[in-house]
Formats: sequence, C-alpha cells, structure tokens
Amino acid sequence: KQEVTQIPAALSVPEGENLVLNCSFTDSAIYNLQWFRQDPGKGLTSLLLIQSSQREQTSGRLNASLDKSSGRSTLYIAASQPGDSATYLCAVPMYSSGTYKYIFGTGTRLKVLA
Amino acid sequence: DAGITQSPRHKVTETGTPVTLRCHQTENHRYMYWYRQDPGHGLRLIHYSYGVKDTDKGEVSDGYSVSRSKTEDFLLTLESATSSQTSVYFCAISEITGGEAFFGQGTRLTVV
Repeated sequence: KQEVTQIPAALSVPEGENLVLNCSFTDSAIYNLQWFRQDPGKGLTSLLLIQSSQREQTSGRLNASLDKSSGRSTLYIAASQPGDSATYLCAVPMYSSGTYKYIFGTGTRLKVLA
Repeated sequence: DAGITQSPRHKVTETGTPVTLRCHQTENHRYMYWYRQDPGHGLRLIHYSYGVKDTDKGEVSDGYSVSRSKTEDFLLTLESATSSQTSVYFCAISEITGGEAFFGQGTRLTVV
C-alpha cells in the first residue's frame, strides 16, 4: 500500500530565503508525482507534475525533483515571497481495479515572513 | 484554471437529512473523483468515476453514494447525514487515469 509523507508539517522562513519541501513515498514504482498548493479555504492548485521517467520539472521559481529509488521528491522554492505562504501537498497515483487513484501527503504549511 | 464548479460552496444541514453535492466540469475529462479533507487525515478518496455510469468506491465510501449520468456532472449524495460527515469536500478531474489532476474550490459541509 502506498503511503505518502510530508515533513515538516509546518515551516516558517524569512522572505527571500530559498527553501526545500519534502515528500516521501513508500512504493517506488510510481507513475508520476504531482505537487499542489492550497490557500486557506480554497481548492488545490496544480503546481508541477513530474513523470516517473523525469528527474526534474521546473516552473518559474519552482523546481521539483524526483528520486524514485529513494522514494523522495523535493519541491525547491527560490527567493521565497510572502505570497508563497500556503499549504503544499504532494500526491502519487496508486493503481488498483483498473484505475489510478491519487494518494496525498498531509502537506507542509509554509509561512514566509515579510 | 480548469473548468470545475462545485455547488453549493457552503451548506449546513441537520443530522439525518439527505444532502447532494454537485461537481460540474467543462473540460470533457473522463475521470472524476470526490475527496474529503479533514484535519489530521488529509485528503481521502470517497468515490470515483471512470466514465458515464461507471463509478467505484474509494477509501472512505461508507455513507456516500454517487452518480454520473453525463460526462460533465458527478453527484455525491449523503443519504442520511451524520456529524462525522462534517468536512470539506473536493471534486477532482483528470483526462487520463493517473494524469494531472485538477481540483474544484470545495464545498464546506457542516452537519449539526
């Protein structure tokens, strides 16, 4: 059974700092991994999807890496801004009964201080 | 943003009453999902659909039923709401199974 863990649960950093968020998964035979952002009271916004054959995926100040052999993905945020404050979740599709279902970590709550 | 609309956005209902939440998409995606999000549990899959009239149970399906009569609509019904079903409910879609998932804005349901 796939389990997804995100540590730390919360993180507070000063503005301008580069930071890394972690996502660990127990079954390395993944199809892909997706990073989301969730603002308070809002839905999930897709940030990056990294395929199992990829090592990295970049979008603006965000860079996601994937190391299947160690069961880890990291989300790197460069030059953090107060607007980056949100909860960041990772999700891995798990295959059963003919369909993939997304298994989520419980998220890292990020606060960037001005 | 993906065209996903959830309704209602907020609802307060009494224990024992039936409740239906609606998810409407304009992306013509085949796969649709209902999740609930609770503190300490994260997002958990309730039911999902892999086509019109094709649905199956997820991890926490007890007390819930779903229907999908059209590609664009996926309904979640709580037959007799209980306080344990107080939660935030999210609908998600994907074009292919395991592909990029897109989420609606959520429905906050309170059962009193």
